[in-house]
Amino acid sequence: QSALTQPVSVSGSPGQSITISCTGTSVDLSNYGYVSWYQQHPGKVPKLIIYDVTTRPSGVSNRFSGSKSGNTASLTISGLQAEDEADYYCSSYTSNSHLVFGGGTKLTVL
Amino acid sequence: QVQLAQSGAEVKKPGASVKVSCKASGYSFTTYYIHWVRQAPGQGLEWMGRINPSGGDTRYAQKFQGGITMTRDTSTSTVYLDLSSLRSDDTAVYYCARDIGGGGGYFDYWGQGTLVSVSS
Repeated sequence: QSALTQPVSVSGSPGQSITISCTGTSVDLSNYGYVSWYQQHPGKVPKLIIYDVTTRPSGVSNRFSGSKSGNTASLTISGLQAEDEADYYCSSYTSNSHLVFGGGTKLTVL
Repeated sequence: QVQLAQSGAEVKKPGASVKVSCKASGYSFTTYYIHWVRQAPGQGLEWMGRINPSGGDTRYAQKFQGGITMTRDTSTSTVYLDLSSLRSDDTAVYYCARDIGGGGGYFDYWGQGTLVSVSS
C-alpha cells in the first residue's frame, strides 16, 4: 500500500489561507469516506483535527476545514496563525480494511 | 479522562524482540479498536495495524506481516505490540491510538509514544 501523496511543504503569512492536498487512488481515498487529518507539532503527539472528510472534533478551531473531490482530499486553514506551524498528515481507509497515511506536509507561517 | 499509557523506552540489539504495552483507562476498553502507528526519526507516520479489544482480531499492514503481533488483555485493559527480529530501521517512536471510527482510523486519543532504539 503506497502512502497518500502530500506536498512536502507549504507556507503562508499570518491571516492568509492555505490548502494542503492529499492524493490517493481508487483503493483508498477515492472510494472511501474515511479521511482524516492530523496536526503534529515538533516532539508532540499527533492531534486529530478533521475526520469523516469534513468533521471537526470538539475543541478544534473552525479555521480548519476539510473537503474531498475524486481521489484528492484537502485541508484548508484560514486566518493562519503562528501556532498553526506544524506537520500535517492525511489518512485514509483502504479497500483491504487497512489504513494509509500521507507522507506529511510541513506548514511554515512566514 | 481517557488515557493511553505506554511503556517506557527500549534499547535493543539487531535480531532481538521487544514488547510495547498500551494501557487504556477512562473508557470501556472493548468499545474501540486500538491501532499502532510508528514514526522513525524525522520521518512521517506509518500505520502498522490494529486490534479489536473485544474479539482480539487483528489486521496488520502487509509490510509488517510476520514481524509483529498485537494482543490484548481485557482484565487489565492493555494492548501489546510485539516486534520481532528487530533491525536498525525499526528505530522509531511507536504510538498506540484509539479509533473512534470503527476501524476507519479516526484517532482521537494517542499514547505518549515509546521510543524503541535498535543498535549494535
